[in-house]
Amino acid sequence: QVQVVQSGAEVKKPGSSVKVSCKASGGTFRNYTISWVRQAPGQGLEWMGRIIPILGITNYAQKFQGRVTVIADKSTTTAYMELSSLRSEDTAVYYCARGQFDESSVYETYYFDYWGQGTLVTVSS
Amino acid sequence: QSVLTQPPSVSGAPGQRVTISCTGSSSNIGADYDVHWYQQLPGTAPKLLIYDNNNRPSGVPDRFSGSKSGTSASLAITGLQAEDEADYYCQSYDSLSGSHVIFGGGTKLTVL
Repeated sequence: QVQVVQSGAEVKKPGSSVKVSCKASGGTFRNYTISWVRQAPGQGLEWMGRIIPILGITNYAQKFQGRVTVIADKSTTTAYMELSSLRSEDTAVYYCARGQFDESSVYETYYFDYWGQGTLVTVSS
Repeated sequence: QSVLTQPPSVSGAPGQRVTISCTGSSSNIGADYDVHWYQQLPGTAPKLLIYDNNNRPSGVPDRFSGSKSGTSASLAITGLQAEDEADYYCQSYDSLSGSHVIFGGGTKLTVL
């Protein structure tokens, strides 16, 4: 049974950084990707970036380049997303989501079959 | 402004059929990239509803179906039920935008 569990809510000051964790269990870490998607209050979904844990390869949305870092710890099957230089507009629920990855063909899917429960990050002075 | 355009809201009575459109362009849906659909109930994480245009994950009722043509895609829900009231998002891949993974702005489905 696949489970994706994220760390708890955070309150941060403008200019600081936040690091959110995402632990995946019940599957094979080498067979998937982890993306990060955020949702501002009352708004839609916005993809931030993703990592292929077995290869350590990352790809980020241009909007977040230079401000976001995604890493993965294969030993604990946990991915992390760190967002720096926080501003009030970064207040949102941050989700991690799993995509599929085939190591032999280096093919990945861009849909997300399992999602974490979400982590609310509030940026406020 | 989302790269994929969805109507902000749709509504229907129980038992009826509704469709939600998702309009893209030649760099995403029109470039033959697949379209996926998610359902988001209030206060919960999105749930995969349709993948690769018209495939349902295990456990998703066959009342939900997807289609794609040209630069657009649609989600159809038949036999509408009160529990279908939720936000629905389409998603695809874009070769030109600064974000390879793109979502529609979302559609609020109200069951009357």
